[in-house]
Amino acid sequence: LAKTTQPISMDSYEGQEVNITCSHNNIATNDYITWYQQFPSQGPRFIIQGYKTKVTNEVASLFIPADRKSSTLSLPRVSLSDTAVYYCLVGDIGGKIGGFKTIFGAGTRLFVKA
Amino acid sequence: DSGVTQTPKHLITATGQRVTLRCSPRSGDLSVYWYQQSLDQGLQFLIQYYNGEERAKGNILERFSAQQFPDLHSELNLSSLELGDSALYFCASSVTAGSGYTFGSGTRLTVV
Repeated sequence: LAKTTQPISMDSYEGQEVNITCSHNNIATNDYITWYQQFPSQGPRFIIQGYKTKVTNEVASLFIPADRKSSTLSLPRVSLSDTAVYYCLVGDIGGKIGGFKTIFGAGTRLFVKA
Repeated sequence: DSGVTQTPKHLITATGQRVTLRCSPRSGDLSVYWYQQSLDQGLQFLIQYYNGEERAKGNILERFSAQQFPDLHSELNLSSLELGDSALYFCASSVTAGSGYTFGSGTRLTVV
């Protein structure tokens, strides 16, 4: 299982774009990259997932360079409500049957200020 | 509402006791995952079940056990409870690991 490294914390202001980078030097060929958001005392919420290049949905973009050894979660125009912990996960999908030991690292605590 | 239901939401019990946490996965999801999150800590993977069978195991203590029933709901049993077992216990479900996990709102266990 690929180990991930993220900044422990980041500060931003409302309206700014926030980029959180995750390093995963040992990513395997079958590994996908997934990001989750967690508010205090709540379960993590799936944000976005990708394998290579760029993925965009209604809340975020995920940039993955060609070597896939890192990825960047981009949150456009953050608001106070985006203050949360963001987790980067890397692992094999495993299909419907395969075991998938999902390991959440310490995550990145994002503080959005007014 | 994420579609994953965990009961109870809160549980206070004494050391040495045994408790059972219950999880109903989102409709259609065959995999259930259990996680433990202590105060200000990351999520620790405990165990995964797929369609009733254990598929992956994390750092789950021997005092803890789980199972998934034919109706796909899962139970996490915690016995001989210690103060250090106080934590939020989350259940998640997925169709496949690649589709992302849907987490429940958790059970907050307090051991006194």
